[in-house]
Amino acid sequence: DAGVTQSPTHLIKTRGQHVTLRCSPISGHKSVSWYQQVLGQGPQFIFQYYEKEERGRGNFPDRFSARQFPNYSSELNVNALLLGDSALYLCASSRGPIENQPQHFGDGTRLSIL
Amino acid sequence: AQTVTQSQPEMSVQEAETVTLSCTYDTSESDYYLFWYKQPPSRQMILVIRQEAYKQQNATENRFSVNFQKAAKSFSLKISDSQLGDAAMYFCAYRIRTLFGNEKLTFGTGTRLTIIP
Repeated sequence: DAGVTQSPTHLIKTRGQHVTLRCSPISGHKSVSWYQQVLGQGPQFIFQYYEKEERGRGNFPDRFSARQFPNYSSELNVNALLLGDSALYLCASSRGPIENQPQHFGDGTRLSIL
Repeated sequence: AQTVTQSQPEMSVQEAETVTLSCTYDTSESDYYLFWYKQPPSRQMILVIRQEAYKQQNATENRFSVNFQKAAKSFSLKISDSQLGDAAMYFCAYRIRTLFGNEKLTFGTGTRLTIIP
């Protein structure tokens, strides 16, 4: 089975632009979480979606939004990009909280803001 | 709020030797999970080992084992017979055990492990 896939791999944007990052979970996984990893730090939780509903939200501004589709894939949207949004964005999937199984991560999208 | 602290930014070990990475955490919950993840330069976060807080027995996975001290809120990772492929950033992470809540992982700042040939 394929692992968690994220696209694009790399992205370069300028301040003020908008970006959409995509994530496809492992087959059979219904939960998707998004994390931001700034260089030299541990990942920070942004969102979790389970069965197309938001289950958790981290301490990020409203410029960050996400959604989950009927096939359980997910998009992370960031508006009005700032230099500080430059980071590795990681997506993780799992079967869901009731299964209590570990999350599996994708390779991430490297976002650079100029 | 839960916090995870890794006090060793960098560690190095001779190939085939044993190394221990430290992690402490703070929580008021009694039922939770602790994890060690490995992130090589390829950047994918790979699960190394998981510990359930209600289990007293320390988890082991081949050359990897943990020392879980619940009262002290300590969760260290021991890597035996270190191999060149073990070189990576290692992150300690915490999650509340829940059936209906979210699966938020709280990560530490990481320990960069170097293996010396």
